[in-house]
Formats: sequence, C-alpha cells, structure tokens
Amino acid sequence: ETGVTQSPTHLIKTRGQQVTLRCSSQSGHNTVSWYQQALGQGPQFIFQYYREEENGRGNFPPRFSGLQFPNYSSELNVNALELDDSALYLCASSSFSGTGTDTQYFGPGTRLTVL
Amino acid sequence: AQSVAQPEDQVNVAEGNPLTVKCTYSVSGNPYLFWYVQYPNRGLQFLLKYITGDNLVKGSYGFEAEFNKSQTSFHLKKPSALVSDSALYFCAVRDMVTGGGNKLTFGTGTQLKVEL
Repeated sequence: ETGVTQSPTHLIKTRGQQVTLRCSSQSGHNTVSWYQQALGQGPQFIFQYYREEENGRGNFPPRFSGLQFPNYSSELNVNALELDDSALYLCASSSFSGTGTDTQYFGPGTRLTVL
Repeated sequence: AQSVAQPEDQVNVAEGNPLTVKCTYSVSGNPYLFWYVQYPNRGLQFLLKYITGDNLVKGSYGFEAEFNKSQTSFHLKKPSALVSDSALYFCAVRDMVTGGGNKLTFGTGTQLKVEL
C-alpha cells in the first residue's frame, strides 16, 4: 500500500452539479498528479501540481480545476458535471526530480457517478 | 508525443507457467517506461520502471521486464504465475508537458487471467 489517500471513496452527483475530490500525498512527496480512468480504459492525465502551482495540464476543459496546499495535499474540482465525467479519479504523488525519472504512486481512487 | 501499445486485451496462463504481457513504445529521445497493476476497484500499484542501464529490470512480487531498444518493446514477465497475479496490467511511458511537469501516458491495459 502506498501512503496516498483519497476521499471520498464513492460519490454520486447529478448533471450540472459541482464536485470536490481530495488527495493526501505520500510523506516526502511534493508533487501531485490527477488522472481520470473511464470504464475499460487506461488513465488519462488531467493535470499536475508542484509547489502549489499547476505545472502541466492534459486535454481537459477549464471546468476541471485543482489546488495544491502547503502540506502538498490536493483537490480536484469539477464544475457543471456531465454524464461523461463518470469515472474513477486517481491521484498520484511523487517527488519531483526535474529529470522525469520519478515514480508516481497512486491512491485508491474516487469513483464518481454522474446521473 | 510519446505512446505505448499493449497489443493483447487479455492473456490467459496456467498457474506455475511463465507469463508475458507485451508492451511496445514510440518515443522521441530516451524512453522512461513503467508497469503498473490494477486490482478490481483499486488504484494502480507500481511494479517496476526502466530508466537506463541493465535491460532486465526486476520489480515487485517477482515480476521483471525486458527492455529491447531494437524492437521498441518493454515486455513484463514472471517465471511462474500465481492465481493471485490475475489483474489488469498497464504499461506507461513518461511524457513531458508544457509547464515543466511530466505525465504518464498509459496503454489500454491487458487483463491477465491465471487459472488453476
């Protein structure tokens, strides 16, 4: 088991609502990445935070936003939920090396269902 | 952009037999390659990575992977499969993103089924 925790475990929302997912990174890690995993697919990169700044973003619309806090924990916020947002949301923490060789350790995920 | 391909949706193997889960990659520059495993309704667990050096990488739970530059492959292997190895396996490659960060680009996954 990694030291990455996510909350909540499961969440059910309706279209148009807003949701906040939370992630606590592993001790000693300063970088958090978020991924969306739709059913039957591989995870897709949403964005990455390092030292409280977004330092990379995937092909997701602006209604997906995030924060990283001084203790390196992070939030993922999704506004105006759509049915296609139903997925497993994974948080991964790592220790930024600048070389790209760091390993990302994943949390158990939050299962979001949008009705 | 970097990419990986997992040509097999499912691999079936008998317990005690060797297993191989295939992955090929397409990158510009040096490849940084990873294998993860996912059990039902769980997050991804890191197995191993190739950065540089020895082409045979040893990882967790008895898994290893062979990096082959000429064939642009990074196949996951285990000498003797266990029923408990049954899970979804993902190959991934490190890719840089605008802003200075880096992301993992994943394959589509291979379902491994180990039978008695």
